[in-house]
Amino acid sequence: GIQVEQSPPDLILQEGANSTLRCNFSDSVNNLQWFHQNPWGQLINLFYIPSGTKQNGRLSATTVATERYSLLYISSSQTTDSGVYFCAVNLDGGATNKLIFGTGTLLAVQP
Amino acid sequence: ETGVTQSPTHLIKTRGQQVTLRCSSQSGHNTVSWYQQALGQGPQFIFQYYREEENGRGNFPPRFSGLQFPNYSSELNVNALELDDSALYLCASSGVLAGNQETQYFGPGTRLLVL
Repeated sequence: GIQVEQSPPDLILQEGANSTLRCNFSDSVNNLQWFHQNPWGQLINLFYIPSGTKQNGRLSATTVATERYSLLYISSSQTTDSGVYFCAVNLDGGATNKLIFGTGTLLAVQP
Repeated sequence: ETGVTQSPTHLIKTRGQQVTLRCSSQSGHNTVSWYQQALGQGPQFIFQYYREEENGRGNFPPRFSGLQFPNYSSELNVNALELDDSALYLCASSGVLAGNQETQYFGPGTRLLVL
């Protein structure tokens, strides 16, 4: 089956720093989403980005579908950015819109 | 706020018991998916319902079953609970477009502890 790997697995930042999170996937996909899971478990949609680049405030994401990777950029990090970041993909041509989640990146932003 | 609600928020059961979890989808969405997230792991797909029919299933045993109602809300039922069923159960709703390209929106989850 498809493999979805994220790096780094853990990241500690000082408030105000920038970071880049990476998601590699092993097969063609037609849906890629980035989520932030807060300490209470809520999965918050960040981006729906099967290809191209999007920006939303301090966050931006780029997916290069032909090379099977996506990047999430966090600028000027804040303590509220702490939590686990997941990318999730849906297989191209799959019969069901099921998301396959990556391994996650645990981010801790220190004041 | 995603507009997806789940109940209850927390639940404690003992081995062998049965449990029912509930999910109300976002307005305008006709598809509900259920995921299980064990501690320290990413969510794993259990199954999906579209217009009251099961529309795909992950690698979970038959004691995990579900329903979708005409208003598109959904239930997840787990029989003969095992200790390993302890997890966060997440419900996601979405519309349906050609090619399965549709954003999924997640509810807050139900934390199940099996003793």
